[in-house]
Formats: sequence, C-alpha cells, structure tokens
Amino acid sequence: QSVLTQPPSVSAAPGQKVTISCSGSSSNIGNNYVSWYQQLPGTAPKLLIYDNNKRPSGIPDRFSGSKSGTSATLGITGLQTGDEADYYCGTWDSSLSAHVVFGGGTKLTVL
Amino acid sequence: QVQLQESGPGLVKPSQTLSLTCTVSGGSISSGGYYWSWIRQHPGKGLEWIGYIYYSGSTYYNPSLKSRVTISVDTSKNQFSLKLSSVTAADTAVYYCARSFGVDGFDYWGQGTLVTVSS
Repeated sequence: QSVLTQPPSVSAAPGQKVTISCSGSSSNIGNNYVSWYQQLPGTAPKLLIYDNNKRPSGIPDRFSGSKSGTSATLGITGLQTGDEADYYCGTWDSSLSAHVVFGGGTKLTVL
Repeated sequence: QVQLQESGPGLVKPSQTLSLTCTVSGGSISSGGYYWSWIRQHPGKGLEWIGYIYYSGSTYYNPSLKSRVTISVDTSKNQFSLKLSSVTAADTAVYYCARSFGVDGFDYWGQGTLVTVSS
C-alpha cells in the first residue's frame, strides 16, 4: 500500500492529452515538493518534473506538473507511442517516520 | 554527464547481508550539494526509497528498513555503498542508486541491478 495514491492505469490516443493524479496528505504533498518519473519497460526511472512543475533540461514541454493542496497532477500533451510507460510521483513525507515516498505507479497506454 | 553504476552479487542467501556499491563518474560526490540514495523496486511493483547519504557521511534511512540498513561513502573512490542485513526473499528486487539535489528529485539513476535472495 503506497503512501501516495495514483490510478493504476490511464489510456489515450496518440496526439491526445492525458493527466495522471497523485493524492497524498498534508505530511507529504501538502507541504513538500513533488517530482514525477517515467519508467520505460526494463529501464531505470527518468526524472520528468521536480519542484512540482519544473522540467529538467531535455524534457519536452509536452510534460507538465501542477500541485494543489494535497494532490499533484502530471499532464502529457501530444501523446506519442513512445510515452507508453509507468509513471511515478514522489515526495518527502515529513511525518514522524519521515522519508521519501512514491506513488504506486500508473501505467500509461497509448492506444 | 554524471553516470552511476551499481555493482555487487546478484544472488544472496537468506539471513545474509546484501552488499552493493554505486560508482559515480562524471562528477564528484565530495563536491557537495547532492544526496546519494538507494532505491529498490520489487518485481512488477513500485519504487521504495531505502535511504541516502551526503558526502559528509550523514545518512537518513527509510524507517521501515532502518534497523537493517547501512549506507556509507568512500569519497576517495567516488563510491557509495549499501548493506542490508538479515535478508529474506522479500528483499528480492532491482536495486538502483540515484542522485538527488534535495530530499527528492532524483535526476540521475544507475541502470539497476537485480538481487535475488534464495538458498
């Protein structure tokens, strides 16, 4: 059971837009920055978004992040077949047992 | 370009200690400003953060694993290491080393190494 809740799967057609939600609490998302990762099959995760909405160099602006209260959202526009992957949100949980927490992951299928 | 590479045994017997090393190239651990973490992924599952170390040697561990984890750094070799004691089959996973510029935000990852716990 992950601390952060993500939908198990989402799907959309090529060229369309999709959003992936990540729900947490005041001890994690509510008071800390959120990052997002893309994991293609058989590879290590790749940082897509950090500090809620910043993109590392080389990440196209098709990928965007936002946060409101205790939830965060990853948006992907102009979907491509190469975007088919697992997506994870992550943040710091500053509860008594403080540590980095991740969502359970969302499988994106590009139909 | 920073690169991280995990190394260590791919098979560990139950009750023994899992030991992995992450070698960093293209950047110096001792330059500071970054945290160096171990993260694992059970087969077909999500990501689990194990802990991090700063170049100074200060560490922070996942409370769920804290009693069994030790992360250390060797700045002379530009490496950091993971030791996980008293392993069971539940510790079978792909282990990644990663760099972050804060308590999260992992910008560089190793390719990952599968460690299987089995007799």
